[in-house]
Amino acid sequence: EVQLLESGGGLVQPGGSLRLSCAASGFTFSSYAMSWVRQAPGKGLEWVSTISAGGGTTHYADSVKGRFTISRDTSKNTLNLQMSSLRVEDTAVYYCARAQSSVWTLFDSWGQGTLVTVSS
Amino acid sequence: EIVLTQSPATLSLSPGEGATLSCRASQSVGTYLAWYQQKPGQAPRLLIYDASNRATGIPARISGSGSGTDFTLTISSLEPEDFAVYYCQQRTNWPLTFGGGTEVEIK
Repeated sequence: EVQLLESGGGLVQPGGSLRLSCAASGFTFSSYAMSWVRQAPGKGLEWVSTISAGGGTTHYADSVKGRFTISRDTSKNTLNLQMSSLRVEDTAVYYCARAQSSVWTLFDSWGQGTLVTVSS
Repeated sequence: EIVLTQSPATLSLSPGEGATLSCRASQSVGTYLAWYQQKPGQAPRLLIYDASNRATGIPARISGSGSGTDFTLTISSLEPEDFAVYYCQQRTNWPLTFGGGTEVEIK
């Protein structure tokens, strides 16, 4: 069974940093592209970032480009999102999502999410 | 950026009724459109990919259609577990984008 477990969320001040992690199990982590998708309170879904299976290619939403960095550690089956220069509008539940097989851009399994609150 | 517009925002229906949800793209996405279902407090779940293909475990009462800029998600007869919010997502171009969602609520 595919399991994705996010951690690292919490309260941070504007301008601060936070590192999210997603522990993956139940599948061959190194074979799948992975993504982060976020959802502001009471709002819709927003794609944040995607990393290829091998880790060599990344994509970012314009809203986070230059501030967030996605990475993966295959030895630990972990996906990471380093967030810096955080803004109030980054407040959201952050979901880790697995790509569907070889299709980077489709999300077939999701974690339960971790809440990031940016506030002074 | 491809903008996806979903309508209606809310659909009020009774169990057993049919539901038709719309997703319109600001430019052609071919058939690279997916649908997700999200229930309160839960993560989204993939329902339909590439416009009309059901994901694993999705019942036949849920179907998708369309191509280009106009897409439809149809639920033939609503079951209690179908009352949720539905999002469409395009995967033609980066950035990946989602529609604003349609809530299917119990009338």
